[in-house]
Amino acid sequence: GAGVSQSPSNKVTEKGKDVELRCDPISGHTALYWYRQSLGQGLEFLIYFQGNSAPDKSGLPSDRFSAERTGGSVSTLTIQRTQQEDSAVYLCASSYPTRGGAGGSYNEQFFGPGTRLTVL
Amino acid sequence: GENVEQHPSTLSVQEGDSAVIKCTYSDSASNYFPWYKQELGKRPQLIIDIRSNVGEKKDQRIAVTLNKTAKHFSLHITETQPEDSAVYFCAASIGGSSGSARQLTFGSGTQLTVLP
Repeated sequence: GAGVSQSPSNKVTEKGKDVELRCDPISGHTALYWYRQSLGQGLEFLIYFQGNSAPDKSGLPSDRFSAERTGGSVSTLTIQRTQQEDSAVYLCASSYPTRGGAGGSYNEQFFGPGTRLTVL
Repeated sequence: GENVEQHPSTLSVQEGDSAVIKCTYSDSASNYFPWYKQELGKRPQLIIDIRSNVGEKKDQRIAVTLNKTAKHFSLHITETQPEDSAVYFCAASIGGSSGSARQLTFGSGTQLTVLP
């Protein structure tokens, strides 16, 4: 079946402009995550959506970053007044929670190809 | 919050040798530990994971061990091949209740190079 898709694949913008990044998760996956990967670095958690619950925004680096998920499917990450330090690859992942039996659930996350954002 | 440290940052091995990557985590509540492989310019892909109720898991040439007391886990790749060359990330997560899922906290990655 289709995997996680993201658009655009590349985005070049000028400092101060707003950008929107889109993520289409795997159909049926109730959890959706956004991560940021700077050059040569690990993945930094940004925000997480789980079903109809309020999103976990604890990873957003500033109030210039926001995200929404409409209809429990597609998600858009918006960065306002972009700065050069926002340049990175933005990765989206989705998962379907699996109950672990002994309490707690474990989520295999499937990643999209990412959007490479360059702020000039 | 959770903090995951990963070592080494780079690792070169001869083809056929074994490679070991180690990670430590800080939150004793973490109970899910996946490993992802990321080839250059591509998305991370899960290669193996382990839950806190087991100490070791193996899948062909790849194995992962977990020591909950010491809060560290390791990836072992045996009989390495050139196609194993990639960046490997460890991660930790806290499983929630009622089917909820939590975000992953990632290590900083290990660039593995397998020399032919």
